[in-house]
Amino acid sequence: SSELTQDPAVSVALGQTVRITCQGDSLRSYYASWYQQKPGQAPVLVIYGKNNRPSGIPDRFSGSSSGNTASLTITGAQAEDEADYYCNSRDSSGNHHVVFGGGTKLTVL
Amino acid sequence: QVQLQESGPGLVKPSETLSLTCTVSGGSISSYYWSWIRQPPGKGLEWIGYIYYSGSTNYNPSLKSRVTISVDTSKNQFSLKLSSVTAADTAVYYCARGSGYCSSTSCYDWFDPWGQGTLVTVSS
Repeated sequence: SSELTQDPAVSVALGQTVRITCQGDSLRSYYASWYQQKPGQAPVLVIYGKNNRPSGIPDRFSGSSSGNTASLTITGAQAEDEADYYCNSRDSSGNHHVVFGGGTKLTVL
Repeated sequence: QVQLQESGPGLVKPSETLSLTCTVSGGSISSYYWSWIRQPPGKGLEWIGYIYYSGSTNYNPSLKSRVTISVDTSKNQFSLKLSSVTAADTAVYYCARGSGYCSSTSCYDWFDPWGQGTLVTVSS
């Protein structure tokens, strides 16, 4: 079982804004990072830390955090954003163990 | 641009040891921490463990008794061994470069880039 909880599925209309959330006690102490995975492909980092985007990631992707919840927001979702999204952070053990959320399947309508 | 490539057998028999190697190109392995992450078919990501270039390791507690990760800086490679495999170990195995940062108030880690992944099937 994962210490980070994500909604299994979320949908958004083309061009609208969607927020994907990740909940866990460890997020009170550590920021999350976010990955996009399309079918048959390796995950790609889209947000790391408080709100950092790797080069090449569109600025419609942003991250935020409050309490035990981290969020990935896509402002003006595009058809190519349809994918699985995973959060990761450290667990609560203090031993620098990594955990991933169960993933959210985003459908762009 | 750093690239990672997994290699190793795609089929392993139950109770045997799964062995994979990740070759790092376009940059030195002598920095960062180097990770293995797996994904069973149709399921989510599971962190297996990582190794610092210095050789220190950190493993997922649920797999720790069966996992060994090692590094060969002379070859710019790091490797995974998972012993006593069962069908539950069937997955796509990814290698990835890990980074971490701590400020005065928080820490965070991220994995980038990732290898393309290799499917390992455990079956007799």
